[in-house]
Amino acid sequence: AQSVTQLGSHVSVSEGALVLLRCNYSSSVPPYLFWYVQYPNQGLQLLLKYTSAATLVKGINGFEAEFKKSETSFHLTKPSAHMSDAAEYFCAVCNSGGYQKVTFGIGTKLQVIP
Amino acid sequence: EAGVVQSPRYKIIEKKQPVAFWCNPISGHNTLYWYLQNLGQGPELLIRYENEEAVDDSQLPKDRFSAERLKGVDSTLKIQPAELGDSAVYLCASSLGGVRDTQYFGPGTRLTVL
Repeated sequence: AQSVTQLGSHVSVSEGALVLLRCNYSSSVPPYLFWYVQYPNQGLQLLLKYTSAATLVKGINGFEAEFKKSETSFHLTKPSAHMSDAAEYFCAVCNSGGYQKVTFGIGTKLQVIP
Repeated sequence: EAGVVQSPRYKIIEKKQPVAFWCNPISGHNTLYWYLQNLGQGPELLIRYENEEAVDDSQLPKDRFSAERLKGVDSTLKIQPAELGDSAVYLCASSLGGVRDTQYFGPGTRLTVL
């Protein structure tokens, strides 16, 4: 069965500092991987997704993530945090073959300190 | 282009009462999802439709939950009777193709059962 582990349910960074949100996955077949962001009182929206092309994926708002098969990781990074980045971030995995289903992590709430 | 529309946004009911949620996906999107999101958790799939067919309802508590997507467009999720533990946010999402495609989420319905 596939699963996603997000380390750190809450992360605080100073404005201008590096953002690093961790995601590790478990999948028996090559996965598709997603990062979604949820702002307060809004639905989730896609930041970026990995579909087995380039291992470094660039998304919206300056975010990027690197697929590392050896570490089964797909960590999300941004070089410099903005106040507007404060939100909840969800990592999700979908197997690429057979019975397909998306499984979401529990989310990481990012706080940006001025 | 309009996004995924959900109504109502908020609902407060007494336990044992029925409740229904409505979702209108993005025009042309074949796949529709209903998720349950508890506080501090990621979305958990309740049911997935491909057009009007429910292709994954394995996590839907069928003794009290039901859903329909009669014409393959909008959808209704019903709970009857509601229990205290049903208090959560109910999210609807849609995608153009299957689960590997980007999902577009509505703002959700926050249900409180008293």
